[in-house]
Amino acid sequence: DAKTTQPNSMESNEEEPVHLPCNHSTISGTDYIHWYRQLPSQGPEYVIHGLTSNVNNRMASLAIAEDRKSSTLILHRATLRDAAVYYCILKGGLGGGADGLTFGKGTHLIIQP
Amino acid sequence: ETGVTQTPRHLVMGMTNKKSLKCEQHLGHNAMYWYKQSAKKPLELMFVYNFKEQTENNSVPSRFSPECPNSSHLFLHLHTLQPEDSALYLCASSQSPRASSGNTIYFGEGSWLTVV
Repeated sequence: DAKTTQPNSMESNEEEPVHLPCNHSTISGTDYIHWYRQLPSQGPEYVIHGLTSNVNNRMASLAIAEDRKSSTLILHRATLRDAAVYYCILKGGLGGGADGLTFGKGTHLIIQP
Repeated sequence: ETGVTQTPRHLVMGMTNKKSLKCEQHLGHNAMYWYKQSAKKPLELMFVYNFKEQTENNSVPSRFSPECPNSSHLFLHLHTLQPEDSALYLCASSQSPRASSGNTIYFGEGSWLTVV
């Protein structure tokens, strides 16, 4: 599976939008972009995923660059409960790569009140 | 509540003990996973099971022995562990091991293991 690069940490203020970047310059045409987050003392939880088009759900939005070499997870209005480690993960589609997801170090998001 | 339940939540064991971690999923999924998370390190995938068959073993030492009797249950049997094996052990499940569109992985809250 292709590698992703994320900043180690980011800081934002409560009730402001947060843009978490992810670079994946070696992404292949069939790789999906997945985002998970891990709150303190909990297991990771799914946030959002996409292939080519931008995606929205109740938790966040995913903006994918036209060349797919980067993406941005957008939290529209951060709350203190959004403080977590956010992981950007690439995974091949059906038949692509090893089984399971490979997690990197992620971005530690700090929310200031 | 994610639908993936792990027990015990906390376990302290000596290096000569034998213990087991248990995971149960109530989501009707076919694939189950064990991950290890040590302090200040990324999550490490240990084992993957699909329809009760092991499909992935990431060079895990034999002192960790997984068992998957059916698609809903997964065990991790532990024996003669070392202090450096102390970590958070996370169980997860998904419809399929291949994370294609719509295939979300659901994690349990983890079992905190301390080896003394």
